[in-house]
Amino acid sequence: DAGVIQSPRHEVTEMGQEVTLRCKPISGHDYLFWYRQTMMRGLELLIYFNNNVPIDDSGMPEDRFSAKMPNASFSTLKIQPSEPRDSAVYFCASSTLSYEQYFGPGTRLTVT
Amino acid sequence: GQQVMQIPQYQHVQEGEDFTTYCNSSTTLSNIQWYKQRPGGHPVFLIQLVKSGEVKKQKRLTFQFGEAKKNSSLHITATQTTDVGTYFCAGPTSGTYKYIFGTGTRLKVLA
Repeated sequence: DAGVIQSPRHEVTEMGQEVTLRCKPISGHDYLFWYRQTMMRGLELLIYFNNNVPIDDSGMPEDRFSAKMPNASFSTLKIQPSEPRDSAVYFCASSTLSYEQYFGPGTRLTVT
Repeated sequence: GQQVMQIPQYQHVQEGEDFTTYCNSSTTLSNIQWYKQRPGGHPVFLIQLVKSGEVKKQKRLTFQFGEAKKNSSLHITATQTTDVGTYFCAGPTSGTYKYIFGTGTRLKVLA
């Protein structure tokens, strides 16, 4: 298996623009997690899905952030409009029966 | 809300020295996981502990889960340069699959 796939790996955008991050989980995994990592706040869980259904989105910073999982093999995290404070590394992870989480390589987002 | 703290925040050791990081949760945990993140990389799962007082070993790494299931430790014997990275513990919020990651301990090994 190729592991969790994320795209793009790097994204540089201007404040106010829409940003879409993409994730393909490992086939057969029924849990998908979106994390954000910064030096100041560490590794934060934003939202997680079980069988494509959002279970807990309490970590989503504000209404500018939204996440979808239209099917078992694809998820998106969208930021609209983006702000400089959204600059971070965003990780997607997947797991089965909530055992070990397999993380993707991450998307490094820079908002100028 | 639930908090998971780790100490120390940073640790520099000479190659060959031992290293320990401690993880403390504000609430009792059903299990605890440990991850390692190399510089510029992503977190990689190391192990999961479930039972009170459980001790597991992986080569030079020893993991322990406290009796009260609120703390854990990771001990590395005779560190090597390949051990460099940040070590995170993570515990689930009660009754959910939402894992709260600890603040991490960044290990630097000097050759």
